[in-house]
Amino acid sequence: DAGVTQSPTHLIKTRGQQVTLRCSPKSGHDTVSWYQQALGQGPQFIFQYYEEEERQRGNFPDRFSGHQFPNYSSELNVNALLLGDSALYLCASSLALDNQETQYFGPGTRLLVL
Amino acid sequence: GDSVTQMEGPVTLSEEAFLTINCTYTATGYPSLFWYVQYPGEGLQLLLKATKADDKGSNKGFEATYRKETTSFHLEKGSVQVSDSAVYFCAPLGRGGATNKLIFGTGTLLAVQP
Repeated sequence: DAGVTQSPTHLIKTRGQQVTLRCSPKSGHDTVSWYQQALGQGPQFIFQYYEEEERQRGNFPDRFSGHQFPNYSSELNVNALLLGDSALYLCASSLALDNQETQYFGPGTRLLVL
Repeated sequence: GDSVTQMEGPVTLSEEAFLTINCTYTATGYPSLFWYVQYPGEGLQLLLKATKADDKGSNKGFEATYRKETTSFHLEKGSVQVSDSAVYFCAPLGRGGATNKLIFGTGTLLAVQP
């Protein structure tokens, strides 16, 4: 049973650049949520995708955008990178029939902005 | 808004000691409650969950009971091992809006010494 996978594992960018992070959900799951975890902090909800639409958004600027594909995989895009965007980005998958209750996390992508 | 409060870490214990990590939450409605564990350099792993009052979630020797009257979900383990050293996150599932999202605090670092 394939778990949640994310790519790349690490990424280094400079301020002002753009980045795309990718996530494949756990087999059988149809919903993907993205979280940002700054160093020493707990994860913060960015947004959730279901049926290829953004369903709810946390307190993040429009520089953060996403997409979900028909195979349920998802991308997180961040434009005009700031130093403060350096963090571990976590993807979590869940099942709509389960009301997205139990979320399973991937290993994360560690982004460093210089 | 929804929030969670965990005891400050680090919690340092000797192997085979009893563990308690306190967690209290504020949330609208009747949230499901989760404990996640994060090992160094990794993503979050689901440890256990409870969905209604007086439910006890358990896994790998860890357990936590959903106490609605005190809005608490304290994590316990009778005998910790060095391999339990990690950061532990209590997370209520925030309901409302178009979706359900996990609410995280800063987590509690557990260090178990041999």
